Amino acid sequence: QKEVEQNSGPLSVPEGAIASLNCTYSDRGSQSFFWYRQYSGKSPELIMSIYSNGDKEDGRFTAQLNKASQYVSLLIRDSQPSDSATYLCAVKAQGGSEKLVFGKGTKLTVNP
Amino acid sequence: GAVVSQHPSWVICKSGTSVKIECRSLDFQATTMFWYRQFPKQSLMLMATSNEGSKATYEQGVEKDKFLINHASLTLSTLTVTSAHPEDSSFYICSVRPSLAGPTDTQYFGPGTRLTVL
Repeated sequence: QKEVEQNSGPLSVPEGAIASLNCTYSDRGSQSFFWYRQYSGKSPELIMSIYSNGDKEDGRFTAQLNKASQYVSLLIRDSQPSDSATYLCAVKAQGGSEKLVFGKGTKLTVNP
Repeated sequence: GAVVSQHPSWVICKSGTSVKIECRSLDFQATTMFWYRQFPKQSLMLMATSNEGSKATYEQGVEKDKFLINHASLTLSTLTVTSAHPEDSSFYICSVRPSLAGPTDTQYFGPGTRLTVL
């Protein structure tokens, strides 16, 4: 059973702070990793994808991947109230399957 | 990002009726589309993988005779919930993987369809 684990939160940070979201996965052969943001009542929106060990930055967002530790994280710098949402970590299994396995998500609240 | 549409955005139906949900890829052709279901305060659960021109692949525990999937073209997949019951009330979301995605195998999600069965 391939699993993706996230701390459900809620995670609460003040405006302007750095929010750190973590995710671990069980399938050591996984190659593709994604972070989605989901506002309440809406569908997920892709924030970032990462495929190689290390950091990947896009604006205020940085994804970090450590395949040896089976760990992927998302940092949000200068957090804004509009960042308040549930963040879903998704992992694509190795091999030919296109399926994504989602974590249960971490609810982030950024307080003004 | 890619544009994926779903119709309807919400539907209320009586128990025992069937409901069809459409998922359209507006920006690109998609050999593969995915159907997810999300219950309140839970994560997305993959129901089935929809393959253009062939039968869908259902996840374990999903009844293929109850959730009928048709992927008749490279831009349209439909999910029909047959004989819907209140426990089928959920948020149904499709996602699309572009046919020419290459190594960047991102899935793009539609806006979702909220189904309420009375």
